[in-house]
Amino acid sequence: DVKVTQSSRYLVKRTGEKVFLECVQDMDHENMFWYRQDPGLGLRLIYFSYDVKMKEKGDIPEGYSVSREKKERFSLILESASTNQTSMYLCASTTGLGNGYTFGSGTRLTVV
Amino acid sequence: EDKVVQSPLSLVVHEGDTVTLNCSYEVTNFRSLLWYKQEKKAPTFLFMLTSSGIEKKSGRLSSILDKKELFSILNITATQTGDSAIYLCAVYFHGQNFVFGPGTRLSVLP
Repeated sequence: DVKVTQSSRYLVKRTGEKVFLECVQDMDHENMFWYRQDPGLGLRLIYFSYDVKMKEKGDIPEGYSVSREKKERFSLILESASTNQTSMYLCASTTGLGNGYTFGSGTRLTVV
Repeated sequence: EDKVVQSPLSLVVHEGDTVTLNCSYEVTNFRSLLWYKQEKKAPTFLFMLTSSGIEKKSGRLSSILDKKELFSILNITATQTGDSAIYLCAVYFHGQNFVFGPGTRLSVLP
């Protein structure tokens, strides 16, 4: 089974802190994605990556950055956390565009 | 603007009922439509639909796509409390990633 692992299930951070959300997949997938999920808004794409050291902005990249130094790891960085970044964050990976995603279990981030 | 719309946004039924969830889309260069079920954790894959009129079935769940009218339905027969979840529809169109609908929150009461 493909596994996508997000390092934290729950996080509470203070406004202004730098926050790292880590995602690791074990099936050599080229494509990895970060989404945030908010009630009534579905999943919104923050950033994605097709390959190591490559990244593309999604629909809502403001306030976020990403890092993909190794194929299996895709990190989401909140440079200076704000309360409007309180959300559920989901990482996903896939072998190719158009194929179904495998999601991680999600990180529920609360910024106070 | 590409978009995916789901209806209803919320639905409450009793065990044994049959439900139909709707997903409509407006995208260019449509390639596929996927249904996911999300309980407390991450979404899990249900179906991928690429061709019109071909029903996909898995147990009590089935889904069909109409590419002419730009919609898909997800049917659940003889619902159980374990079917309570958010059901997400996602559309993939060429050159892009998936666009997700807002989801339908289904609650099945005993």
